[in-house]
Amino acid sequence: AQTVTQSQPEMSVQEAETVTLSCTYDTSESDYYLFWYKQPPSRQMILVIRQEAYKQQNATENRFSVNFQKAAKSFSLKISDSQLGDAAMYFCAYRSARHTDKLIFGTGTRLQVFP
Amino acid sequence: SQTIHQWPATLVQPVGSPLSLECTVEGTSNPNLYWYRQAAGRGLQLLFYSVGIGQISSEVPQNLSASRPQDRQFILSSKKLLLSDSGFYLCAWSKLDSNQPQHFGDGTRLSIL
Repeated sequence: AQTVTQSQPEMSVQEAETVTLSCTYDTSESDYYLFWYKQPPSRQMILVIRQEAYKQQNATENRFSVNFQKAAKSFSLKISDSQLGDAAMYFCAYRSARHTDKLIFGTGTRLQVFP
Repeated sequence: SQTIHQWPATLVQPVGSPLSLECTVEGTSNPNLYWYRQAAGRGLQLLFYSVGIGQISSEVPQNLSASRPQDRQFILSSKKLLLSDSGFYLCAWSKLDSNQPQHFGDGTRLSIL
Protein backbone atom coordinates (compact mmCIF):
# COMPACT_ATOMS: atom_id res chain seq x y z
CA ALA A 1 0.00 0.00 0.00
CA GLN A 2 1.11 3.51 -0.71
CA THR A 3 2.03 5.86 2.11
CA VAL A 4 2.87 9.54 2.32
CA THR A 5 5.09 10.93 5.07
CA GLN A 6 5.53 14.53 6.11
CA SER A 7 8.18 14.55 8.80
CA GLN A 8 7.88 18.22 9.74
CA PRO A 9 4.81 18.86 11.92
CA GLU A 10 5.59 22.58 12.03
CA MET A 11 7.76 25.01 10.11
CA SER A 12 8.24 28.75 10.31
CA VAL A 13 9.59 31.34 7.93
CA GLN A 14 10.04 35.07 7.91
CA GLU A 15 8.11 37.12 5.43
CA ALA A 16 9.90 37.41 2.06
CA GLU A 17 12.15 34.45 2.84
CA THR A 18 12.11 30.98 1.29
CA VAL A 19 10.97 27.80 3.00
CA THR A 20 10.95 24.16 1.91
CA LEU A 21 8.43 21.60 3.13
CA SER A 22 9.39 17.94 2.90
CA CYS A 23 7.37 15.01 1.69
CA THR A 24 8.35 11.43 1.00
CA TYR A 25 6.19 8.62 -0.26
CA ASP A 26 6.34 4.91 -0.73
CA THR A 27 4.95 3.12 -3.75
CA SER A 28 5.78 0.25 -6.05
CA GLU A 29 4.06 1.92 -8.99
CA SER A 30 5.85 3.85 -11.69
CA ASP A 31 2.98 6.04 -12.85
CA TYR A 32 1.31 8.34 -10.38
CA TYR A 33 0.55 11.93 -9.49
CA LEU A 34 1.62 14.06 -6.56
CA PHE A 35 -0.10 17.10 -5.13
CA TRP A 36 0.38 19.78 -2.54
CA TYR A 37 -2.73 21.16 -0.89
CA LYS A 38 -2.99 24.17 1.38
CA GLN A 39 -5.51 24.40 4.22
CA PRO A 40 -5.72 27.89 5.73
CA PRO A 41 -7.56 28.57 9.01
CA SER A 42 -10.81 28.71 7.05
CA ARG A 43 -10.25 24.93 6.62
CA GLN A 44 -10.86 24.96 2.87
CA MET A 45 -8.50 22.64 0.97
CA ILE A 46 -6.84 24.48 -1.89
CA LEU A 47 -4.73 22.86 -4.55
CA VAL A 48 -1.31 24.49 -4.68
CA ILE A 49 0.62 22.47 -7.23
CA ARG A 50 0.71 19.05 -8.89
CA GLN A 51 3.35 16.88 -10.51
CA GLU A 52 3.05 14.00 -12.93
CA ALA A 53 5.56 11.27 -12.14
CA TYR A 54 6.38 10.73 -15.81
CA LYS A 55 7.57 14.32 -16.13
CA GLN A 56 11.15 15.01 -15.15
CA GLN A 57 10.66 18.75 -15.09
CA ASN A 58 9.68 20.12 -11.71
CA ALA A 59 6.30 21.85 -11.57
CA THR A 60 6.14 25.56 -10.83
CA GLU A 61 3.22 27.82 -9.97
CA ASN A 62 4.27 31.41 -9.36
CA ARG A 63 6.08 31.45 -5.98
CA PHE A 64 5.53 27.71 -5.46
CA SER A 65 7.79 25.07 -6.92
CA VAL A 66 8.56 21.45 -6.22
CA ASN A 67 11.71 19.37 -6.11
CA PHE A 68 10.59 15.98 -7.41
CA GLN A 69 13.14 13.22 -6.95
CA LYS A 70 11.50 10.08 -8.29
CA ALA A 71 14.27 7.67 -7.39
CA ALA A 72 14.36 8.97 -3.85
CA LYS A 73 10.54 9.16 -3.72
CA SER A 74 10.75 12.70 -2.49
CA PHE A 75 8.44 15.60 -3.33
CA SER A 76 9.31 18.79 -1.48
CA LEU A 77 7.52 22.12 -1.81
CA LYS A 78 9.48 25.37 -1.98
CA ILE A 79 7.72 28.63 -1.22
CA SER A 80 9.66 31.69 -2.32
CA ASP A 81 9.11 35.25 -1.14
CA SER A 82 6.83 33.98 1.65
CA GLN A 83 3.78 36.05 2.44
CA LEU A 84 1.64 36.25 5.55
CA GLY A 85 -1.19 34.66 3.58
CA ASP A 86 0.91 31.54 3.06
CA ALA A 87 0.39 30.59 6.70
CA ALA A 88 -1.58 27.35 6.64
CA MET A 89 -1.43 23.59 6.93
CA TYR A 90 0.17 22.04 3.90
CA PHE A 91 -0.66 18.50 2.85
CA CYS A 92 1.24 16.34 0.43
CA ALA A 93 -0.89 13.80 -1.46
CA TYR A 94 -0.38 10.84 -3.77
CA ARG A 95 -2.66 9.35 -6.38
CA SER A 96 -2.03 6.26 -8.44
CA ALA A 97 -2.55 6.53 -12.19
CA ARG A 98 -4.23 3.13 -12.11
CA HIS A 99 -6.44 3.55 -9.08
CA THR A 100 -7.60 7.06 -9.67
CA ASP A 101 -10.23 7.09 -6.99
CA LYS A 102 -7.95 7.32 -3.99
CA LEU A 103 -5.96 10.32 -2.84
CA ILE A 104 -3.55 9.43 -0.04
CA PHE A 105 -2.59 12.32 2.24
CA GLY A 106 0.30 12.94 4.55
CA THR A 107 -0.32 14.22 8.06
CA GLY A 108 0.46 17.81 7.15
CA THR A 109 2.94 20.53 8.03
CA ARG A 110 1.80 23.68 9.76
CA LEU A 111 3.58 26.70 8.30
CA GLN A 112 3.85 29.91 10.27
CA VAL A 113 4.93 33.12 8.58
CA PHE A 114 6.40 35.88 10.73
CA PRO A 115 6.46 39.54 9.68
CA SER B 1 -17.08 26.69 -13.90
CA GLN B 2 -17.51 23.90 -11.41
CA THR B 3 -18.47 24.50 -7.81
CA ILE B 4 -18.99 22.27 -4.82
CA HIS B 5 -21.35 23.06 -1.99
CA GLN B 6 -21.31 21.40 1.37
CA TRP B 7 -23.62 22.02 4.32
CA PRO B 8 -24.05 22.68 7.10
CA ALA B 9 -20.80 24.46 7.92
CA THR B 10 -21.02 23.55 11.60
CA LEU B 11 -23.16 21.09 13.48
CA VAL B 12 -23.49 20.19 17.13
CA GLN B 13 -25.29 16.94 17.80
CA PRO B 14 -25.92 14.79 20.90
CA VAL B 15 -24.63 11.25 21.12
CA GLY B 16 -27.10 8.80 19.61
CA SER B 17 -28.74 11.29 17.28
CA PRO B 18 -28.86 10.82 13.49
CA LEU B 19 -26.70 12.67 10.98
CA SER B 20 -27.09 13.87 7.44
CA LEU B 21 -24.44 15.94 5.67
CA GLU B 22 -25.03 16.92 2.09
CA CYS B 23 -22.69 17.74 -0.75
CA THR B 24 -23.60 18.85 -4.26
CA VAL B 25 -21.49 19.65 -7.29
CA GLU B 26 -22.44 22.02 -10.07
CA GLY B 27 -21.02 22.59 -13.51
CA THR B 28 -19.91 19.07 -14.30
CA SER B 29 -21.43 15.65 -14.91
CA ASN B 30 -20.56 12.18 -13.65
CA PRO B 31 -17.95 13.35 -11.16
CA ASN B 32 -16.14 11.08 -8.74
CA LEU B 33 -17.28 12.07 -5.24
CA TYR B 34 -15.51 11.63 -1.92
CA TRP B 35 -16.09 12.03 1.80
CA TYR B 36 -13.08 12.63 4.05
CA ARG B 37 -12.75 13.07 7.79
CA GLN B 38 -10.04 15.15 9.38
CA ALA B 39 -9.47 14.68 13.10
CA ALA B 40 -7.95 17.59 15.02
CA GLY B 41 -4.30 18.06 14.03
CA ARG B 42 -4.39 15.08 11.70
CA GLY B 43 -4.41 14.43 7.98
CA LEU B 44 -7.38 13.48 5.89
CA GLN B 45 -8.85 10.01 6.02
CA LEU B 46 -10.91 8.82 3.08
CA LEU B 47 -14.26 7.48 4.27
CA PHE B 48 -16.25 6.86 1.09
CA TYR B 49 -15.98 7.41 -2.62
CA SER B 50 -18.41 7.05 -5.47
CA VAL B 51 -17.87 6.75 -9.20
CA GLY B 52 -21.55 6.86 -10.10
CA ILE B 53 -25.15 6.96 -8.89
CA GLY B 54 -25.75 4.28 -6.29
CA GLN B 55 -22.11 3.17 -6.35
CA ILE B 56 -20.46 3.59 -2.97
CA SER B 57 -17.13 2.23 -1.80
CA SER B 58 -16.24 2.30 1.87
CA GLU B 59 -12.64 2.65 2.92
CA VAL B 60 -12.92 2.06 6.64
CA PRO B 61 -15.49 0.25 8.78
CA GLN B 62 -17.37 2.75 10.84
CA ASN B 63 -20.59 4.12 12.15
CA LEU B 64 -21.24 6.13 9.00
CA SER B 65 -22.76 5.44 5.62
CA ALA B 66 -22.91 7.30 2.32
CA SER B 67 -25.40 7.50 -0.50
CA ARG B 68 -25.48 9.02 -3.96
CA PRO B 69 -29.10 9.44 -4.98
CA GLN B 70 -28.30 11.74 -7.90
CA ASP B 71 -25.32 12.23 -10.17
CA ARG B 72 -24.03 15.30 -8.38
CA GLN B 73 -25.29 14.68 -4.85
CA PHE B 74 -23.41 12.84 -2.14
CA ILE B 75 -24.79 12.35 1.37
CA LEU B 76 -23.03 11.24 4.52
CA SER B 77 -25.28 9.72 7.17
CA SER B 78 -25.42 8.02 10.50
CA LYS B 79 -28.31 6.47 12.40
CA LYS B 80 -26.69 6.98 15.80
CA LEU B 81 -23.71 9.27 16.30
CA LEU B 82 -20.82 8.33 18.59
CA LEU B 83 -18.45 10.67 20.39
CA SER B 84 -15.69 9.42 18.10
CA ASP B 85 -17.57 10.76 15.08
CA SER B 86 -16.54 14.31 15.99
CA GLY B 87 -14.30 15.93 13.43
CA PHE B 88 -14.09 17.97 10.29
CA TYR B 89 -15.76 16.40 7.27
CA LEU B 90 -14.80 17.34 3.75
CA CYS B 91 -16.52 16.49 0.52
CA ALA B 92 -14.54 16.49 -2.72
CA TRP B 93 -15.05 15.84 -6.40
CA SER B 94 -12.84 15.03 -9.34
CA LYS B 95 -13.14 14.04 -12.95
CA LEU B 96 -12.35 10.48 -13.92
CA ASP B 97 -8.95 11.33 -15.45
CA SER B 98 -6.19 10.60 -12.97
CA ASN B 99 -4.45 13.77 -14.07
CA GLN B 100 -7.21 15.86 -12.57
CA PRO B 101 -6.96 16.91 -8.92
CA GLN B 102 -9.67 16.65 -6.34
CA HIS B 103 -11.54 19.83 -5.47
CA PHE B 104 -12.83 20.24 -1.95
CA GLY B 105 -15.85 21.81 -0.36
CA ASP B 106 -15.59 24.15 2.61
CA GLY B 107 -16.13 21.36 5.12
CA THR B 108 -18.46 20.66 8.04
CA ARG B 109 -17.25 20.86 11.61
CA LEU B 110 -19.18 18.21 13.57
CA SER B 111 -19.14 18.26 17.36
CA ILE B 112 -20.75 15.47 19.32
CA LEU B 113 -21.85 16.18 22.86
